[in-house]
Amino acid sequence: KNEVEQSPQNLTAQEGEFITINCSYSVGISALHWLQQHPGGGIVSLFMLSSGKKKHGRLIATINIQEKHSSLHITASHPRDSAVYICAAPPGGGADGLTFGKGTHLIIQP
Amino acid sequence: GAGVSQSPRYKVAKRGQDVALRCDPISGHVSLFWYQQALGQGPEFLTYFQNEAQLDKSGLPSDRFFAERPEGSVSTLKIQRTQQEDSAVYLCASSRRRAGDNEQFFGPGTRLTVL
Repeated sequence: KNEVEQSPQNLTAQEGEFITINCSYSVGISALHWLQQHPGGGIVSLFMLSSGKKKHGRLIATINIQEKHSSLHITASHPRDSAVYICAAPPGGGADGLTFGKGTHLIIQP
Repeated sequence: GAGVSQSPRYKVAKRGQDVALRCDPISGHVSLFWYQQALGQGPEFLTYFQNEAQLDKSGLPSDRFFAERPEGSVSTLKIQRTQQEDSAVYLCASSRRRAGDNEQFFGPGTRLTVL
């Protein structure tokens, strides 16, 4: 089974700071997912990437398949970015669904 | 178009009661997933449907948990004789095809509290 680890678990930063959240996984995958979860439970898919880098607004996701590592960056962070960020990967071995990291609880203070 | 919807959004049950949680996936999505998210944890896989076929139920924690998707669209997760440890948010997600290389779209979840 894929082990998905995220760091840090909690992160508090000031508005405007550059944010990095890291994710590592143990089993080779076809694609890694970054998700955002706001209080109240709703999960939104931010990125699905299998190589290189993707950018959407102030969010950037990178992945290194050989090292089994991905990072999510937020530039010019804003209080509305405060949320839980979760990375997820296929479980491997032909199993279904996604294996999720425990999430990074991000708070951006004004 | 409409996203994934779930009902009810909140459910309080007394220990021992049966509950049924509903998921309406995005129209035309082949794959449907149920996940369980305990407080402060990431979601955990419960079960997976491809159309009406339940292809994987390895994550269901006990035989009190049962899921169905009889016509390949709406799905119901049923929990019999609920226990306090069943308290969690139950998330449903759908995708066009298999999950590994396809984006999953999540519903808002049903928060179940068992007293």
